Amino acid sequence: DGGITQSPKYLFRKEGQNVTLSCEQNLNHDAMYWYRQDPGQGLRLIYYSQIVNDFQKGDIAEGYSVSREKKESFPLTVTSAQKNPTAFYLCASTYKTQKRLFFGSGTQLSVL
Amino acid sequence: GIQVEQSPPDLILQEGANSTLRCNFSDSVNNLQWFHQNPWGQLINLFYIPSGTKQNGRLSATTVATERYSLLYISSSQTTDSGVYFCAVPTSYDKVIFGPGTSLSVIP
Repeated sequence: DGGITQSPKYLFRKEGQNVTLSCEQNLNHDAMYWYRQDPGQGLRLIYYSQIVNDFQKGDIAEGYSVSREKKESFPLTVTSAQKNPTAFYLCASTYKTQKRLFFGSGTQLSVL
Repeated sequence: GIQVEQSPPDLILQEGANSTLRCNFSDSVNNLQWFHQNPWGQLINLFYIPSGTKQNGRLSATTVATERYSLLYISSSQTTDSGVYFCAVPTSYDKVIFGPGTSLSVIP
């Protein structure tokens, strides 16, 4: 089945620890996005990538890092510099020219 | 940058009622999308609608790009329609930004 897979579904981070959220898509989409959602809030863009080996900061990139070594994968690392990481993280992808977004099922990150 | 507003922020409906959700945006855009987020967090793309009107079952959407707004109509609402509805637009830098959402509760 084609789709976007995010893992893990739930993740716990200890203080000072870096954690990595996985996002994989088999839709042959060009662009991939990471969004953060806080309880009762909308989605805010963290990072996005239009092509392999290239990515741009979104509106709240501080404390996060990404890589795009393969077209189908766009992992997000939440670093220890992100002081308030507890949130729901959503990955999305789209064809570059159309930008109709499709989302994974999300990862809930909590701090121990 | 472009601003996106949605109204109303919250809506409670009796099952079977109709409703209209609105999305306003501050600058011209070449497409607009509507999403439904269910209570488990999954976001489903309902419509990709640069302009005009589209229908999908009990849902329909209209975008008037020249006047910078879009409407989402829900007819004969069901409890499964509950959740949050977001509109989203692209910016000139290939980002896609979201409005704050409308939280809908449909009660039996």
